[in-house]
Amino acid sequence: LAKTTQPISMDSYEGQEVNITCSHNNIATNDYITWYQQFPSQGPRFIIQGYKTKVTNEVASLFIPADRKSSTLSLPRVSLSDTAVYYCLVGNNTGGFKTIFGAGTRLFVKA
Amino acid sequence: GAGVSQSPSNKVTEKGKDVELRCDPISGHTALYWYRQSLGQGLEFLIYFQGNSAPDKSGLPSDRFSAERTGGSVSTLTIQRTQQEDSAVYLCASSPMDRGQNIQYFGAGTRLSVL
Repeated sequence: LAKTTQPISMDSYEGQEVNITCSHNNIATNDYITWYQQFPSQGPRFIIQGYKTKVTNEVASLFIPADRKSSTLSLPRVSLSDTAVYYCLVGNNTGGFKTIFGAGTRLFVKA
Repeated sequence: GAGVSQSPSNKVTEKGKDVELRCDPISGHTALYWYRQSLGQGLEFLIYFQGNSAPDKSGLPSDRFSAERTGGSVSTLTIQRTQQEDSAVYLCASSPMDRGQNIQYFGAGTRLSVL
């Protein structure tokens, strides 16, 4: 399983764009990159998944450079309700199904 | 449709007692995971089930922990002779396993407090 490294915490203000970068130097050819969001007292929630280049949905964008050794989750115009922990995961089904959640990045959005 | 359901939402028990935690996955999801999350920490993988394959139990912390999944659906995590260090939130997730990396859908968890 590819190990991931993320910042422990980040601060932002309402209305700003937030970019959280995850490093995964040992990513395998078949690995996908998946981000989850967790609010206090809730289970994690899937945000976005990608393999290469850029993926965008109604919640976020995911930027993946050509070497795929890192990825950046971009949250446009954050609000107070985006305060949460964000987890980056790397893996694929063919390598087995065990998944590793790291400590994640705690994002604090201030008014 | 209905999401992953876990029960009870909270459980308070005395040290040494056995507890059972239940997970009802999303209908049709073939994979089911159990995780443990201590206060302020990340998720600790415990066990997963995939279809009829043997479960991966590599994350279970001791032989006091066991889990089963009946009929490929409902799962029960059992902790025998509970200890205070077992206090945590136990999260269950299910996945349809239809993508390169399975997307997991989580329940709200069971908060276990061992006194």
